[in-house]
Amino acid sequence: ETGVTQTPRHLVMGMTNKKSLKCEQHLGHNAMYWYKQSAKKPLELMFVYNFKEQTENNSVPSRFSPECPNSSHLFLHLHTLQPEDSALYLCASGPGPANYGYTFGSGTRLTVV
Amino acid sequence: DQQVKQNSPSLSVQEGRISILNCDYTNSMFDYFLWYKKYPAEGPTFLISISSIKDKNEDGRFTVFLNKSAKHLSLHIVPSQPGDSAVYFCAANRVTGNQFYFGTGTSLTVIP
Repeated sequence: ETGVTQTPRHLVMGMTNKKSLKCEQHLGHNAMYWYKQSAKKPLELMFVYNFKEQTENNSVPSRFSPECPNSSHLFLHLHTLQPEDSALYLCASGPGPANYGYTFGSGTRLTVV
Repeated sequence: DQQVKQNSPSLSVQEGRISILNCDYTNSMFDYFLWYKKYPAEGPTFLISISSIKDKNEDGRFTVFLNKSAKHLSLHIVPSQPGDSAVYFCAANRVTGNQFYFGTGTSLTVIP
């Protein structure tokens, strides 16, 4: 158990669907992150939350909408996605803001059809 | 612009031999470096770290070397084992920074 739990593990959605990815951390961390991993690309940071406040949005399209209701939970709401959005979406948490590393969840493998 | 680069997408090594994975970075302000290991269908897991005040850090079979002047770090695995077969990501950060920057990963295969 990594301490960071992501659901669902796999998701297939149509381009007109709306779905949400969920992340929960049990480590008492103050910072949570969404990363996207596409084939042959570095892990791409999407959003950062410190103490429930969004502190980073790396020019992510508005069809991705994060929500952090408390420091233990993080959501990524998806709507009208494109096939090129198919990727592994990883949630991570860290002690933040001094950053000595993350604990990652197992990821959600998203396929947009 | 990629600030952390892993130029070898894959590496194959015989069991028992040394595996050397390389990583280069461009930002001289980075002061903390990590290696993560990732198996298929799992998230990356932390392997080993090094601060810029050191040039070597060792943990069992894993040693990370940092050459600040060359902006280069490497991960040595000795002896390599089949269970080490995974994708290895290098990451760098300023400790006071908001995020880690990751390389594209190197897929290591250890041949029994």
